[in-house]
Amino acid sequence: AQTVTQSQPEMSVQEAETVTLSCTYDTSESDYYLFWYKQPPSRQMILVIRQEAYKQQNATENRFSVNFQKAAKSFSLKISDSQLGDAAMYFCAYRSPIGSGGSNYKLTFGKGTLLTVNP
Amino acid sequence: EPEVTQTPSHQVTQMGQEVILRCVPISNHLYFYWYRQILGQKVEFLVSFYNNEISEKSEIFDDQFSVERPDGSNFTLKIRSTKLEDSAMYFCASSEMGASGGYEQYFGPGTRLTVT
Repeated sequence: AQTVTQSQPEMSVQEAETVTLSCTYDTSESDYYLFWYKQPPSRQMILVIRQEAYKQQNATENRFSVNFQKAAKSFSLKISDSQLGDAAMYFCAYRSPIGSGGSNYKLTFGKGTLLTVNP
Repeated sequence: EPEVTQTPSHQVTQMGQEVILRCVPISNHLYFYWYRQILGQKVEFLVSFYNNEISEKSEIFDDQFSVERPDGSNFTLKIRSTKLEDSAMYFCASSEMGASGGYEQYFGPGTRLTVT
């Protein structure tokens, strides 16, 4: 079974600064998908960014980018120019590849990192 | 932009009562999911649903839980006899999962279930 570990329960960053959230995972699969979800106080789960394991290029979405190190099974999220609205719980999640028998499409989440943005 | 909706936003029920949580997935999506998040803990997978049947369920999803797609739009989670430990946020999600990809899961706003 796959596991996802987020070793930083809490992080803080000054507004306009950059912060990196860590995520490691364990899997025996060679192809898979990784995601970062944001959960603000409203508790809605919002997809931030995704990465396909077969792609070597790191995904980027505006101020959000990832550092995907497949051999190390590491998937960190970098938030540049942090804004007050970035304050939230961030969850890293893993999903098995398409075609793995119609099952195993579930997301496996880490425990989350609570990000505080200081003005 | 299409979104997943859930009703009610908050449900309070007494222990032993049955509850039905409702979700309307994004219209062209084919896979549907329920997840649970106990306060302060991580999000946990409950069940996935495709082609009118359960495709996978977790060990949490025991006989007190059931899912149904009663019509072409709704997707429901029924808890037959609620327990105090069922108190949690329940999230519905859907994904397109077409040939071109669409593997992202989009979440609804959640239903907060409080069992007293």
